[in-house]
Amino acid sequence: AQTVTQSQPEMSVQEAETVTLSCTYDTSENNYYLFWYKQPPSRQMILVIRQEAYKQQNATENRFSVNFQKAAKSFSLKISDSQLGDTAMYFCAFSALGAGSYQLTFGKGTKLSVIP
Amino acid sequence: GAVVSQHPSWVICKSGTSVKIECRSLDFQATTMFWYRQFPKQSLMLMATSNEGSKATYEQGVEKDKFLINHASLTLSTLTVTSAHPEDSSFYICSARGAENTGELFFGEGSRLTVL
Repeated sequence: AQTVTQSQPEMSVQEAETVTLSCTYDTSENNYYLFWYKQPPSRQMILVIRQEAYKQQNATENRFSVNFQKAAKSFSLKISDSQLGDTAMYFCAFSALGAGSYQLTFGKGTKLSVIP
Repeated sequence: GAVVSQHPSWVICKSGTSVKIECRSLDFQATTMFWYRQFPKQSLMLMATSNEGSKATYEQGVEKDKFLINHASLTLSTLTVTSAHPEDSSFYICSARGAENTGELFFGEGSRLTVL
C-alpha cells in the first residue's frame, strides 16, 4: 500500500514571494505518477503539476515547479511569485502505473495562505 | 481538457430519505470513475471505484448497501446515499480517468450533502 505524507498542515507566504510545500511518499512500486492538486475555496480539484517517476527532469508549469527526489521518495512543490489566487489547499497525490485503475492516494493537504 | 460534471452541487434532505448524485464525463468516455468523501478541512477519502458495466469496488469500511454506485454507461456514474442520516452529511466528489493514460484524474465540482 502507498502512503503520502504532507508534514505542513498550514503555511503562509507574502505575495510575490516563493514558497515550498513538502511531500514524502512510501511505495514499493517502481513506476508511478506523482501529482500536486489545488483545491481553492470553491472546492474544485485542479491539477497543478504532474511528474512521471521514470523522468529524472523535474516538471515545471509556469510559476510551479517540483523537486523530485526518487531515492528519497520526496516530491516538493515550489510556487514562485506567489499570487493571491494561489490561496488554497494543496494535496500531494500518488498513482501507481501498470495494470489497475489509477486510483489516487492523497496526502492530508497543506493549507496555503498568500498574504497581500 | 477532459470535463467531469457533477450534479447536484448541493442538496439538503430529511433523515431517512435517499439522495442520488450524478457524475458525468462530458467529452470523453470513462470506464472507471472514483467516488470520494471529504470532511471539513480534511483530505479526500476514496469510497469506491466505479467500473462501467460491473459492480463497484468499495474501500474497507464503506457500506455498499448505504452508498449504492451504478455505472451504467461510459459517461455516467451515480452515487445514491440510501436512508440518509445526519452523519452522512459531507462533501462528495467524483473523478474519472481520461482517455489518455497519463495517470491524471479529472474531478467533478463536488456535491455538498446536508441531512437534517
